[in-house]
Amino acid sequence: KAGVTQTPRYLIKTRGQQVTLSCSPISGHRSVSWYQQTPGQGLQFLFEYFSETQRNKGNFPGRFSGRQFSNSRSEMNVSTLELGDSALYLCASSRGEGTGELFFGEGSRLTVL
Amino acid sequence: LAKTTQPISMDSYEGQEVNITCSHNNIATNDYITWYQQFPSQGPRFIIQGYKTKVTNEVASLFIPADRKSSTLSLPRVSLSDTAVYYCLVGSLQTGANNLFFGTGTRLTVIP
Repeated sequence: KAGVTQTPRYLIKTRGQQVTLSCSPISGHRSVSWYQQTPGQGLQFLFEYFSETQRNKGNFPGRFSGRQFSNSRSEMNVSTLELGDSALYLCASSRGEGTGELFFGEGSRLTVL
Repeated sequence: LAKTTQPISMDSYEGQEVNITCSHNNIATNDYITWYQQFPSQGPRFIIQGYKTKVTNEVASLFIPADRKSSTLSLPRVSLSDTAVYYCLVGSLQTGANNLFFGTGTRLTVIP
């Protein structure tokens, strides 16, 4: 079956702009979680959506937001971009319950100039 | 939130068996132990998961002692393509993905 798809794969923005990233989970998966990965901070949890509701949120400012649609596709938005937002943004899908495993996409690499 | 401790880096020669140990002293009764592999600029990939004793699949084995306060990922006969970062996670998805803390991982370098 098709894996997790993230778009766009690469993008360049300037400070103050906003960006929207998209994630299409594996068919049948109801949970989508988002992560930010930087060399200095490693893989950090942003938030998780389960059946269109935000179930958990990490320790990130309100500039980072997300949503999930009825088909489980998810988007995350970062407003008023800062240089420090440059990172690889990963999404993972899962059934959202039980032991489960996370299936990751290849990520969206954001560069803020 | 059960956190883990694992070595920051390890080196191994091709063809050797590699064992990466992870400490998780405050593991909860409902927590599972899961290992992921990540190559540069890619998302982590599931390797193996277990609850107790030993689990083996086509790529690795996972050894978990009776007290479950640690676990060891064993990679048999590593090759250059096994060079990656390996993450040990403790938790379950029952209450959400935020309970799966990735930590810094172990950077394995396989030497020819």
